[in-house]
Amino acid sequence: GAGVSQSPSNKVTEKGKDVELRCDPISGHTALYWYRQSLGQGLEFLIYFQGNSAPDKSGLPSDRFSAERTGGSVSTLTIQRTQQEDSAVYLCASSLGGPTSYNEQFFGPGTRLTVL
Amino acid sequence: GIQVEQSPPDLILQEGANSTLRCNFSDSVNNLQWFHQNPWGQLINLFYIPSGTKQNGRLSATTVATERYSLLYISSSQTTDSGVYFCAVDSNTGGFKTIFGAGTRLFVKA
Repeated sequence: GAGVSQSPSNKVTEKGKDVELRCDPISGHTALYWYRQSLGQGLEFLIYFQGNSAPDKSGLPSDRFSAERTGGSVSTLTIQRTQQEDSAVYLCASSLGGPTSYNEQFFGPGTRLTVL
Repeated sequence: GIQVEQSPPDLILQEGANSTLRCNFSDSVNNLQWFHQNPWGQLINLFYIPSGTKQNGRLSATTVATERYSLLYISSSQTTDSGVYFCAVDSNTGGFKTIFGAGTRLFVKA
């Protein structure tokens, strides 16, 4: 079946603009995760959803970041008033179970965000 | 919070050589995965291995949860094995998060 998909694959924006990143998880996966990877670095955990609910938003870097998930499927990560330090690859993953059960995560190809 | 340390940070191998990558974690964890990030940035699942030993072709992994480490073995390395290898652990301490190590960057020479 289809894997995790993300759109757009690349996004170039100007400082101060808002951007919206989309993630389509594997069908039937109940949990969804967002990460950020800066150039040459490891992955930074941002937020996860169990169904449509995000129990803990403390991993989001600032209040300019928000995320939502609707219908237990598609998720969007929104960055308002983008700054140059937001430039990174944003990765999405999904898993069949969730944090308290079988939690093998499968990743999408990422969205490369460049803020000029 | 939990610390995840991977070693070595960089590794250069001659094609055909074997290697062992290590992942140490500072506290008990619920799950552990190994990934290979290829040169195009895609993360490829290698093993989901909270404990025990698994093998898949030339790769195998062992996690000893009680001693807080996991090992990834690569045998008869190939140039296509090049890339970055990450281990990632799940922690429920102070709220759920998945924590990635900094990775081992592997280059296999032909």
